[in-house]
Amino acid sequence: DAKTTQPPSMDCAEGRAANLPCNHSTISGNEYVYWYRQIHSQGPQYIIHGLKNNETNEMASLIITEDRKSSTLILPHATLRDTAVYYCIVRGSGTYKYIFGTGTRLKVLA
Amino acid sequence: DAGVTQSPTHLIKTRGQQVTLRCSPKSGHDTVSWYQQALGQGPQFIFQYYEEEERQRGNFPDRFSGHQFPNYSSELNVNALLLGDSALYLCASSSIGSGNTIYFGEGSWLTVV
Repeated sequence: DAKTTQPPSMDCAEGRAANLPCNHSTISGNEYVYWYRQIHSQGPQYIIHGLKNNETNEMASLIITEDRKSSTLILPHATLRDTAVYYCIVRGSGTYKYIFGTGTRLKVLA
Repeated sequence: DAGVTQSPTHLIKTRGQQVTLRCSPKSGHDTVSWYQQALGQGPQFIFQYYEEEERQRGNFPDRFSGHQFPNYSSELNVNALLLGDSALYLCASSSIGSGNTIYFGEGSWLTVV
């Protein structure tokens, strides 16, 4: 299973874009990158996932580098409600388990 | 559209006792996974159930067992509780139709005293 590395914490000003990096240098060709977030120890919330191409949905954008060894989750206009722990996960198509690290604690400042 | 629902939300048990946690998957989902999250840590995979069978298991002892019912709901059982079993237990559901993306419930907080 590929491992991911994320900074333990980040701050972002309200209204600005939050860019959360993730390193997954050992990722293999059939492994997807997933992002989840967890607010106040509620259940993790799915944000977005991708394989090779950049992805965008109503919550965020996911930018994956061409060599797929790293990715960035972008919250375009961060709000106070985006304060949470963000998890980057790599999951292969042949496994059903998601391996969570300790994530990045994002604090959005007023 | 109801999401993943779990019960109970909080419970306290004594060391050595047994506990059963329950989960109803999101509508349209047929697969249930269970995770344990200790304070300050990320969730850890316990096992996944599909078609009433355990399909994959994480690194947890046999004290942790589960069941999936024909209506796709699931139970997590933990026997001989230890103080270290105190954690948030999360249920997640998925289906091939969801691309096997898992969606979590709000969890059950278990405290072992």
